[in-house]
Amino acid sequence: DAGITQSPRYKITETGRQVTLMCHQTWSHSYMFWYRQDLGHGLRLIYYSAAADITDKGEVPDGYVVSRSKTENFPLTLESATRSQTSVYFCASRGQGAGEQYFGPGTRLTVT
Amino acid sequence: AQTVTQSQPEMSVQEAETVTLSCTYDTSESNYYLFWYKQPPSRQMILVIRQEAYKQQNATENRFSVNFQKAAKSFSLKISDSQLGDTAMYFCAFIPAGGTSYGKLTFGQGTILTVHP
Repeated sequence: DAGITQSPRYKITETGRQVTLMCHQTWSHSYMFWYRQDLGHGLRLIYYSAAADITDKGEVPDGYVVSRSKTENFPLTLESATRSQTSVYFCASRGQGAGEQYFGPGTRLTVT
Repeated sequence: AQTVTQSQPEMSVQEAETVTLSCTYDTSESNYYLFWYKQPPSRQMILVIRQEAYKQQNATENRFSVNFQKAAKSFSLKISDSQLGDTAMYFCAFIPAGGTSYGKLTFGQGTILTVHP
């Protein structure tokens, strides 16, 4: 099906472990984004990508790594998970032009 | 840098009545877009309505309309004939149309709306 998907939908991991959250979109959108959602903060931008092999930091990038070797995929890696990274993570994509972003269903990550 | 403020953490309304959610923003950009997103308990982010800053006419989508006051940097959402399915968290969001912040949405903290039968 066309759209934007995230996997896994739920993940529990331990402090210090590496975790990768996957994001895949089928629209060939140029722009892709990772947000985290925490109570009282709304959604905050972690990283974004304007095209394959082009990425840049958002508001809260510390502790996260991204890559984008293919237009349709934008994985987010927590290199050494911490409890403060317990959150709901959303991936989003957008085509050319400043318009609305389309969001994936979210991944709930718990770091114990 | 842009900021978006939603001053109402929670709102409630009776079914079939009208409710207005507030949003203010701060920016030095002259051209930008504003959005309202809805997030029901399923967590899915759903676009409700969008407004281009260069358009003076307020956007409308069925029961949803906005009051866009550019000089006051205010962007409120009015929901008419509220339905139980409108119960959700609502986020106001801003995106500049150009410059180095191009493409990056800034969100408010959200307003939880509960529609009572």
